[in-house]
Amino acid sequence: RKEVEQDPGPFNVPEGATVAFNCTYSNSASQSFFWYRQDCRKEPKLLMSVYSSGNEDGRFTAQLNRASQYISLLIRDSKLSDSATYLCVVNRIKAAGNKLTFGGGTRVLVKP
Amino acid sequence: GAVVSQHPSWVICKSGTSVKIECRSLDFQATTMFWYRQFPKQSLMLMATSNEGSKATYEQGVEKDKFLINHASLTLSTLTVTSAHPEDSSFYICSARGAGTSLTNEQFFGPGTRLTVL
Repeated sequence: RKEVEQDPGPFNVPEGATVAFNCTYSNSASQSFFWYRQDCRKEPKLLMSVYSSGNEDGRFTAQLNRASQYISLLIRDSKLSDSATYLCVVNRIKAAGNKLTFGGGTRVLVKP
Repeated sequence: GAVVSQHPSWVICKSGTSVKIECRSLDFQATTMFWYRQFPKQSLMLMATSNEGSKATYEQGVEKDKFLINHASLTLSTLTVTSAHPEDSSFYICSARGAGTSLTNEQFFGPGTRLTVL
């Protein structure tokens, strides 16, 4: 089983609609959680950290459920520019030092 | 701030040759740099972690003699793919983590290097 799992999609979203998707992680020792965005043939870029109480950044809302070991991302009022692959990332601080584990990504396509 | 560059951005080489990829932190000192590989339609897979002045720590299944990592300074790490073969064709991405408190936890990613081995 992969340590971080995501629905690969694609999620086809009409412009202006809301889309939400989850990510599950297998290691209960995971300590930090992030959503990254990756455009085609580009490096991943940090979208937002995910906090235990849930957090919002503009049209983006992230939630963490430690009991069920999943995090979610919700995008409201989708824009065409939101089309990208969203990577769920988990950080487990170890003696080797703070490595990130990436999920396979969820592809979102926002269409007019 | 917190900019990471990679060079080259893309490279095409013949099978059997070696390719060196540079990763630089431009405006901060990176105590730790990470090297990832991403195959098409797959996620980033960590290859190795390198700390300045010490040997890199490789992930399981990554051949240290094939992927040579050097982190000689706080702003530069290099990955050399030795005797490259077509199956090494991939998108190689580095990231860097800073030494200062405000930069300690976040990793900053380079723009990646696309390697094609013919």
